[in-house]
Amino acid sequence: QSALTQPASVSGSPGQSITISCTGTSSDVGGYKYVSWYQQHPGKAPKLMIYDVSDRPSGVSNRFSGSKSGNTASLTISGLQAEDEADYYCISCTSSSTWVFGGGTKLTVL
Amino acid sequence: QLQLQESGPGLVKPSETLSLTCTVSGGSISGGSYFWGWIRQPPGKGLEWIGNIYPGGSTYYNPSLKSRAIISVDTSKNHFSLKLTSVTAADTAVYYCARRREGTSALDYWGQGTLVTVSS
Repeated sequence: QSALTQPASVSGSPGQSITISCTGTSSDVGGYKYVSWYQQHPGKAPKLMIYDVSDRPSGVSNRFSGSKSGNTASLTISGLQAEDEADYYCISCTSSSTWVFGGGTKLTVL
Repeated sequence: QLQLQESGPGLVKPSETLSLTCTVSGGSISGGSYFWGWIRQPPGKGLEWIGNIYPGGSTYYNPSLKSRAIISVDTSKNHFSLKLTSVTAADTAVYYCARRREGTSALDYWGQGTLVTVSS
């Protein structure tokens, strides 16, 4: 299985909004609602930010939102803050009942 | 509060078997509908899904590991384990254990990760 495609890096200024894409195929992202997003700060374990395309766990800021169109899922962060600077990963289930991560996106807050 | 903790050797020789255990505290590994799995991250690189297990049920693995991975669960000890055979330097990574709720994509609890280096 091939890794999902994410941009290597995105950047934005405080207060702005950014969107990170996660592109797969109809056998993974496009075929299921099971896409989640994780934030990872250096040296730390990943943290769940969005699950099942657009659901947000309790305790996660409502500045984080998710969506999907066709074979591409997206994570949007509005009102960028300095602490949002981190790596972000998507993961999707596949038609083989396995899971595949995206390559990761480094978010820089300018 | 549920906690997951990885443990195992930090150094493994090439061609040998990597063995890690994830001990779950603050909850039962067999209580509720959860999958328990392993994810790894080579230094400076992205996350890779290794596989997961449903206690009393099925296991699923990343096909790229070519059957080298085996995940098992011991409900009496409230832990689950990973064995990865015939390791090479490419298996050097931080290994994380995590829990996923059945019927969702939510990996909601993670261990802190443990670095395993493959070197002679």
